[in-house]
Amino acid sequence: EVQLVESGGGLVQPGGSLRLSCAASGFTFSSYSMNWVRQAPGKGLEWVSYISSSSSTIYYADSVKGRFTISRDNAKNSLYLQMNSLRAEDTAVYYCARDSSIPAGYFFDYWGQGTLVTVSS
Amino acid sequence: AIRMTQSPSSLSASTGDRVTITCRASQGISSYLAWYQQKPGKAPKLLIYAASTLQSGVPSRFSGSGSGTDFTLTISCLQSEDFATYYCQQYYSYLRTFGQGTKVEIK
Repeated sequence: EVQLVESGGGLVQPGGSLRLSCAASGFTFSSYSMNWVRQAPGKGLEWVSYISSSSSTIYYADSVKGRFTISRDNAKNSLYLQMNSLRAEDTAVYYCARDSSIPAGYFFDYWGQGTLVTVSS
Repeated sequence: AIRMTQSPSSLSASTGDRVTITCRASQGISSYLAWYQQKPGKAPKLLIYAASTLQSGVPSRFSGSGSGTDFTLTISCLQSEDFATYYCQQYYSYLRTFGQGTKVEIK
C-alpha cells in the first residue's frame, strides 16, 4: 500500500524557517517524481514544487521561488521542503504528492494526509 | 502561468441528480487535465486523468470529457458520498495549476 506521511509542520514567526519531511513507503520511491502542494485555510489547492526521481530537475511556483528548497533522499525514501523567509501567506496545509508513472503524467495519484504550517507572530 | 477557471463555484443538488462541472483553461492544454475530489479535512483524491480516463477504483458514474480549453466532469447519478469539492488541474505546463474548486452541496 502506498503511504506518504508528512511531518514538520507547526507555528513559526514571520521571517522564520521550517523544514517539512515526507516519508514514503509501499512503492519504489526512487522511481517517481514528487511534489509539494499546499492549501491555505478555506482556500483551493496550489502546487508548490516538483523534483524529478533523480533530483536532476526541480521546479518551483513563482510564489515560493528563492525562499523554498525541495530535496529528496532516495536511500531514506524521503522528500523534504526547506522553507525560509516565511510569510503569513505561506500558512497552509502542505501535502506531499506523488506523480503518476504514466509518461507525461504529471498529475498526482497519491497524496499524504498533510501537515499544517502556521506563520504568525 | 495557465489559468484554470471552474464553474460554478458551488452547486446544490440532490441524491440521484446528474451534475456537470466545467473547467476552462486560459490556453490550449490538449488533454493534459486531471480531476480531484476533496472531502473536508482530507487529502484530494484523483478521479480522472488525461481528461477522460477514470482512475482505477473510481466509480463509473464519474466521467470526464473535453480537450483544448474546455473540459467537463459529470457525475451521472449523485450519491451521498459524492458531496465534496472538486478541482481540475492542468499538467500541460510544468507550472501546474488548479481550478479554484467547485463545492457540491446537498440541496
